[in-house]
Amino acid sequence: DAMVIQNPRYQVTQFGKPVTLSCSQTLNHNVMYWYQQKSSQAPKLLFHYYDKDFNNEADTPDNFQSRRPNTSFCFLDIRSPGLGDAAMYLCATSTRTGVSSYEQYFGPGTRLTVT
Amino acid sequence: AQSVTQPDIHITVSEGASLELRCNYSYGATPYLFWYVQSPGQGLQLLLKYFSGDTLVQGIKGFEAEFKRSQSSFNLRKPSVHWSDAAEYFCAVGFKAAGNKLTFGGGTRVLVKP
Repeated sequence: DAMVIQNPRYQVTQFGKPVTLSCSQTLNHNVMYWYQQKSSQAPKLLFHYYDKDFNNEADTPDNFQSRRPNTSFCFLDIRSPGLGDAAMYLCATSTRTGVSSYEQYFGPGTRLTVT
Repeated sequence: AQSVTQPDIHITVSEGASLELRCNYSYGATPYLFWYVQSPGQGLQLLLKYFSGDTLVQGIKGFEAEFKRSQSSFNLRKPSVHWSDAAEYFCAVGFKAAGNKLTFGGGTRVLVKP
């Protein structure tokens, strides 16, 4: 089945120690999104890629970076995690054009703990 | 600015009873509308969507939603709730002015009593 895969599902890192979260997709979608979701809150968009074009949300901290080496993979890098960065990180994909571009397919998420 | 509101933060319902979750949006034109469900520790699963046409849409797991333009609403319903429906439900709206991005409501947590 075509899907969005996130690894690892659970990640523990130390305060200030860089961490990378991974997302891959078999849907061949052009657009990939990264969301941060804190407990009992709605997902918050951090950034997204239209193919290789990177689009950062205005309020995304500089501490968060992303890479998309090819269509299938996208990475979220947190350069110096703080305690406030502990959250669920969700990856999603969509097509690029037409009304279906609004329909996003989500991965299972990575739960990040910062100690 | 566009916005999405889910007025109910928590809803408790007995198993077998009906369920209705409310979603209202603020936008000058017809948006694209979605309901997602999130079980604890999981990602978001799409329940149903509305782009155009028939305003009553059927989704997975026995859910349906009705778009009411006059009320700027897209309420989710299920006639008979199962214990497995306990989860967080998010209404999401795509506004053409915002590109492909979705605006999420704050979510409604549904608890199911035996």
